[in-house]
Amino acid sequence: SYELTQPPSVSVSPGQTARITCSGDALPDQYAYWFQQKPGQAPLLIIYKDNERPSGIPERFSGSSSGTTVALTISGVQAEDEADYYCQSVDSSGTYVFGTGTKVTVL
Amino acid sequence: QVQLVESGGGVVQPGRSLTLSCAASGFSFSSQGMHWVRQAPGKGLEWVATISYEGGSKNYADSVRGRITISRDNSKSTLYLQMNSLRVDDTAIYYCAKGAFDVWGPGTLVTVSS
Repeated sequence: SYELTQPPSVSVSPGQTARITCSGDALPDQYAYWFQQKPGQAPLLIIYKDNERPSGIPERFSGSSSGTTVALTISGVQAEDEADYYCQSVDSSGTYVFGTGTKVTVL
Repeated sequence: QVQLVESGGGVVQPGRSLTLSCAASGFSFSSQGMHWVRQAPGKGLEWVATISYEGGSKNYADSVRGRITISRDNSKSTLYLQMNSLRVDDTAIYYCAKGAFDVWGPGTLVTVSS
């Protein structure tokens, strides 16, 4: 089955930049989406169609795509950005897939 | 405002059935595809099922195909997930989400245990 692979964890100091990668064979042909999930809360869409930001999402969140890897960048990390982050896409049959998830720790 | 609220979760024995509901408000429910996503305790997100806006197209994860049915009633702005032959590994928080996964409900917990 199709998989999207993310690093399990990323640690970053406040004000620095965090970059989370997501790798999958179908990513050159399908859009990627990114979700933020804080403990006890439902996921929140923060990036859609590789690099678009929904209204209300801070500009420090950005997305990029290159070949079989997409990335979420958080510039000027704040304490409130500590959360789990998931990428998502679809495979060639239209089945949705979530990435393995990355825990971002703000030091 | 746009809102999704799940209900119907609870504790159920293995092999039994359970139906979850997701009540939608604040948007044109009948024009949006809808999804169910689950999250086992301490684990990541797992897509479960998707239904098209009119209900004519449905897609399921391999892990639930044949045991779970997604459906909708556009006249009631409600999404459903019927789960049969429940297994211990179906234990999870079940979320409904709309369209491009841009709005999610708070989730409902399903615990499968004897």
